[in-house]
Amino acid sequence: QKEVEQDPGPLSVPEGAIVSLNCTYSNSAFQYFMWYRQYSRKGPELLMYTYSSGNKEDGRFTAQVDKSSKYISLFIRDSQPSDSATYLCAMSAVGGADGLTFGKGTHLIIQP
Amino acid sequence: DTAVSQTPKYLVTQMGNDKSIKCEQNLGHDTMYWYKQDSKKFLKIMFSYNNKELIINETVPNRFSPKSPDKAHLNLHINSLELGDSAVYFCASSHGLADGNTIYFGEGSWLTVV
Repeated sequence: QKEVEQDPGPLSVPEGAIVSLNCTYSNSAFQYFMWYRQYSRKGPELLMYTYSSGNKEDGRFTAQVDKSSKYISLFIRDSQPSDSATYLCAMSAVGGADGLTFGKGTHLIIQP
Repeated sequence: DTAVSQTPKYLVTQMGNDKSIKCEQNLGHDTMYWYKQDSKKFLKIMFSYNNKELIINETVPNRFSPKSPDKAHLNLHINSLELGDSAVYFCASSHGLADGNTIYFGEGSWLTVV
């Protein structure tokens, strides 16, 4: 079993829809949870960063962490074609000093 | 003005050759990394350096040797290239080890070994 599981998709939704992206993990030591967005032929860029359980909102993006279920989510409201990208979840136990553990990424397509 | 820049972006080379990928960051960060993204899209850490000192060296063949001449540069040299080395290599940086969750990635170097 991989440490971080993420459905690779593709996930295709119409413009304006609410998107839900998810990851599950097995390492209970993970405390820091991130979402990175990666456009085609580009490097990943940090989108959201949360510590421990709870919700965090930033504009149209909301990150949720449920440590008891070892489950994290990213919600995108009012999705736009420019949101089309691969979304990677990432986690760490000690603030990233040992490097991040990434999911495989979910390829999201927003249809105009 | 690119924050983390790496060259070359694309590299096609034959098995057995030796090649280098260069990386520079102008963010004033202390910590730099090399990550590898394989054909299955998994992104995995290879090395991290903090102020030119090697911190993380994951299970990577000895053919891969990072070099950090100063804290703004982290180059990756690969000896005796193999077909399985074909991947995208990302350089990245963060303020320090404690900020290792907020990583700034370069645009990647696509290595194809034929």
